[in-house]
Amino acid sequence: NAGVTQTPKFRILKIGQSMTLQCAQDMNHNYMYWYRQDPGMGLKLIYYSVGAGITDKGEVPNGYNVSRSTTEDFPLRLELAAPSQTSVYFCASSYAGQGASRNTIYFGEGSWLTVV
Amino acid sequence: KNEVEQSPQNLTAQEGEFITINCSYSVGISALHWLQQHPGGGIVSLFMLSSGKKKHGRLIATINIQEKHSSLHITASHPRDSAVYICAVREINTGTASKLTFGTGTRLQVTL
Repeated sequence: NAGVTQTPKFRILKIGQSMTLQCAQDMNHNYMYWYRQDPGMGLKLIYYSVGAGITDKGEVPNGYNVSRSTTEDFPLRLELAAPSQTSVYFCASSYAGQGASRNTIYFGEGSWLTVV
Repeated sequence: KNEVEQSPQNLTAQEGEFITINCSYSVGISALHWLQQHPGGGIVSLFMLSSGKKKHGRLIATINIQEKHSSLHITASHPRDSAVYICAVREINTGTASKLTFGTGTRLQVTL
């Protein structure tokens, strides 16, 4: 049981390039999230998904896209990277059903992205 | 707009000291999370609580819903407790479970 796995750990992008941050969870969680963490700021929600085929915008969605074709995977796509997207990105998941683990949130290890 | 404030922002303690980190928020919530972020960056959930008190080893979390305030206590602190502690709240009636508002974190350094 690996939990939440995100890749890559580190990436440097040039302005205008595109890339995809991968996220996978093996806990059969229905909810998945992408957050960004900027220095001195709280985590901000980029996009979230409540189940396969369903995604919605968070607080800071501009410049990003997501898809959720399976329960396990929730990739985050950066199109036309900009310096303002330099940040640490965290994928997370939670289970919104019944039981003791309901709504406990599990995070990936983070992806450090620099846009130059 | 919900504001989540943590205090202190930075805290240095000697090994063995009792530590308290505070979190205040401004709107009604259905749950509050305490998270731990280690220097390598990974974030781990410590507690999720909606009332009263929870204890896990040397960690204790309390919440006062009426006062919109929570505290995280660490007893007999140890250098391995050095990390950033983050408070996050889930507002009532957000329409979707677990849309969280995060505090900026409290950086704890425990020295020998």
